[in-house]
Amino acid sequence: DAKTTQPPSMDCAEGRAANLPCNHSTISGNEYVYWYRQIHSQGPQYIIHGLKNNETNEMASLIITEDRKSSTLILPHATLRDTAVYYCIVRAYNTDKLIFGTGTRLQVFP
Amino acid sequence: DAGVIQSPRHEVTEMGQEVTLRCKPISGHNSLFWYRQTMMRGLELLIYFNNNVPIDDSGMPEDRFSAKMPNASFSTLKIQPSEPRDSAVYFCASNLAGTTKETQYFGPGTRLLVL
Repeated sequence: DAKTTQPPSMDCAEGRAANLPCNHSTISGNEYVYWYRQIHSQGPQYIIHGLKNNETNEMASLIITEDRKSSTLILPHATLRDTAVYYCIVRAYNTDKLIFGTGTRLQVFP
Repeated sequence: DAGVIQSPRHEVTEMGQEVTLRCKPISGHNSLFWYRQTMMRGLELLIYFNNNVPIDDSGMPEDRFSAKMPNASFSTLKIQPSEPRDSAVYFCASNLAGTTKETQYFGPGTRLLVL
C-alpha cells in the first residue's frame, strides 16, 4: 500500500472550514483514498473515501488532485466536536486491510 | 443497530495472567478486524477474518497472542501469558467485504492494563 504524509497538527476556528491535506505521491491506479477520524478515547470513525473524483457526504468533502498524488479533506463548518485525529489512508481495492499512519491532530477552537 | 460490541471495556490484570477480549461484529458483516493502539506504535492491525476464516495474522506480535472466530457473531483475542508491554487499547472492527462501500466500523475498544 502507498504511504501517506500528513501534517502532525492543525488548528481551526469554530465555524470556519478545516482543510486537511494528505500527500500520497506513490499511489497506484487501483488504490482508494480513505479518511477516518478518532475522537479522544473512541474507536476510529469512517468519514469518506474516493478513487479519483471529488466526493461529498454529510460529514465532509474529499478533493483529489488530477494526478491523484494528494488530497484534501474539507470540513466545511468545523465545530468543537470535530476536534480529533484525522487519518488519511490509501487502500487497494482488493484488500480489506487499512494501514493507519500517525494522522493529523485537528484542534478546533472557539 | 447496536454497532460493534466489545467486552470488557476495561481490564486490569497482573503479568502472567490470561486475558480474553471479546467482540461481537455488526450483524450481517462478514469481515472482522482486531487492532491494537499504543502511544508508541499507533494503531496496528493484528489480524483479520473473512467469513470466520483468518486471512492475515501477520500483525500478531508473537505466540502469546491468539484469535478465534467460532461463528459470524463472535470473536476472541487471547493473550497468554500477558506482559506489561501488552498494555494498550484493543479495537475490534467489522465490515461487509465485497461491497461498493466497504467501510470498517469500530467498536469502543478494550483498555487493557497489565501490571
